[in-house]
Formats: sequence, structure tokens, C-alpha cells
Amino acid sequence: AAGVIQSPRHLIKEKRETATLKCYPIPRHDTVYWYQQGPGQDPQFLISFYEKMQSDKGSIPDRFSAQQFSDYHSELNMSSLELGDSALYFCASSPRRVEVNTEAFFGQGTRLTVV
Amino acid sequence: QKEVEQDPGPLSVPEGAIVSLNCTYSNSAFQYFMWYRQYSRKGPELLMYTYSSGNKEDGRFTAQVDKSSKYISLFIRDSQPSDSATYLCAMSVLEKAAGNKLTFGGGTRVLVKP
Repeated sequence: AAGVIQSPRHLIKEKRETATLKCYPIPRHDTVYWYQQGPGQDPQFLISFYEKMQSDKGSIPDRFSAQQFSDYHSELNMSSLELGDSALYFCASSPRRVEVNTEAFFGQGTRLTVV
Repeated sequence: QKEVEQDPGPLSVPEGAIVSLNCTYSNSAFQYFMWYRQYSRKGPELLMYTYSSGNKEDGRFTAQVDKSSKYISLFIRDSQPSDSATYLCAMSVLEKAAGNKLTFGGGTRVLVKP
């Protein structure tokens, strides 16, 4: 079965550079989430989109922005990178809601290293 | 204090034993409860989800939710070495039509010894 696709899988950037992470949700999933997971920590919610509109917002720095496109893929743009931004970034997607909130399926993540 | 608390472990059990995992939470507005398994450097994999109190069974996995005590559990029967991973509980408040954020527990490391 198709899963959530994230690219790139690994990314190394220098401080103050910009990075763009991409997420392709499972087909027919219209909701996308972004999470940040630091070493030894649980995933922290950044932002979510439903039908190309921002749905919920968490602890996403102002230096980061994200959007969902007409084909439902999403991109997380990170500017002025800091050493503390080094983490695993996960994208998750959910299918169209039928009755209550549906489960989120995670991708394999992008490992960002800022040097 | 975190909204969702989970013992970090590690929890070491012999192969075939029952693994018992639990989370407590403080936000009574949480309505939706999930358990994820995460192998090292991989994405969380959804195991179970429920939005009501009581038990839910799926193969070797049983999830329990006790909303009155703000306590959820996951039991893994007949544990296998391949079950060795970090198990994360996650919860959400159904505030929006979709895209409600998940709040995770810190995860419990489980080691199943052959």
C-alpha cells in the first residue's frame, strides 16, 4: 500500500541557510500534518492543513512556513536555520473525515542536520 | 508538567510475555487516543486508535481507555523480539473538522529478549 512520501530523507545545511522539505500524502488523504522530533524526544506538532487551508498550528517558529498545494502535497520552508533546528521532521496524512477524527499515518521523516 | 505522561522505560520482557504500557493525561478534553510504534530512525507506525472508553482488540494488541481516570493502556500478547521498539501514546482534542494536532507521550522503550 502507498505510504506518505517525504523528501529528501536526509539534508545537511549550514546555519542561516534555507531548507525546503516536501511531503506527498497517501492518495485520497486530504489532511497533512508536520511534526518535529528531536533526539530522544517525542514528536512535537508544528502545523496541519486540511483541504489546502491551515487547520491547526502548534509550536512552529516564525522562521518556518508551510503550505498545502492543489495536489495535496505539502512543503515546509525553513529559513535562517539554527543549530537547534536539527531534528527529524515527520509528515503525516489522514483520509477524508467520515464521522470523527481519523488516524494519522506518518512518513519516514526527513533528517535535517544544521552545521 | 506535560499533558501526557509516559514512563520512558526501558521495559525488558522475555519473549512470549505480555507487554503492558500505559499513559496518563491531564487534559480531560482529549477524546481520541492512539498508540504508535516507532523503530529507531523510522516514522511512527499506527497500531491502535479509539475514541471511547473501554477495550479494543486487534490481533495481539489490546487498547484500553479509562476516561474517568485519564488513563490509557496498551497490552501486547505473545511478545516477539520484533516488537522491540519505542511505543508512543498520542491523543487529540477534536476541536476542528480535521487536522487536529496529536499530543504525544514521551514514549516507552520496549525490549523483548529471545
